[in-house]
Amino acid sequence: DTGVSQNPRHKITKRGQNVTFRCDPISEHNRLYWYRQTLGQGPEFLTYFQNEAQLEKSRLLSDRFSAERPKGSFSTLEIQRTEQGDSAMYLCASSLTDFAATGELFFGEGSRLTVL
Amino acid sequence: GDSVTQMEGPVTLSEEAFLTINCTYTATGYPSLFWYVQYPGEGLQLLLKATKADDKGSNKGFEATYRKETTSFHLEKGSVQVSDSAVYFCALKQGAQKLVFGQGTRLTINP
Repeated sequence: DTGVSQNPRHKITKRGQNVTFRCDPISEHNRLYWYRQTLGQGPEFLTYFQNEAQLEKSRLLSDRFSAERPKGSFSTLEIQRTEQGDSAMYLCASSLTDFAATGELFFGEGSRLTVL
Repeated sequence: GDSVTQMEGPVTLSEEAFLTINCTYTATGYPSLFWYVQYPGEGLQLLLKATKADDKGSNKGFEATYRKETTSFHLEKGSVQVSDSAVYFCALKQGAQKLVFGQGTRLTINP
């Protein structure tokens, strides 16, 4: 399977704990995106990388959130001191450089976070 | 700011029925418009797109026309199948790197 892979698929944690999600994009894609989806809503943009450079961050990404893509391959999204409002599905997507022209993102199945 | 509004769901139809899922947008200028679909147990995937006014995107029997006058991009299919059961998201491209999605419409097709 050469699609976008996300782990873990579901994480339950207590408020105040730290969590980390991993995304493995399609291997030839140099762009990687994180989106967040809450219940009954569509995905909302959080941040994106071109290779290892984080080029844009949404104001939704508070200082408790940090994303990295150290070698331009997989990415991690860490949430520190989780709050109940962080409960959501965290989606990773990847694309080729021509996303600006095609608008095509390839999404993983997501990592669902539940904060108790 | 830019936004996308979809018709409320869920939508339930019988096989071979005609489908319309409404989508309207608010944006500066004329952004590219998309429909993404999420089948059960899978990630979102691009269904079709239109990049300028009056363009018609089509794929898998689905169609949508970019209507600048009504700021709409309604999704249609003449005869739905059980396999079309999924969640459908309308989206616009904001700038060069972001997609702004609507809230999604869950479609269930009964045999």
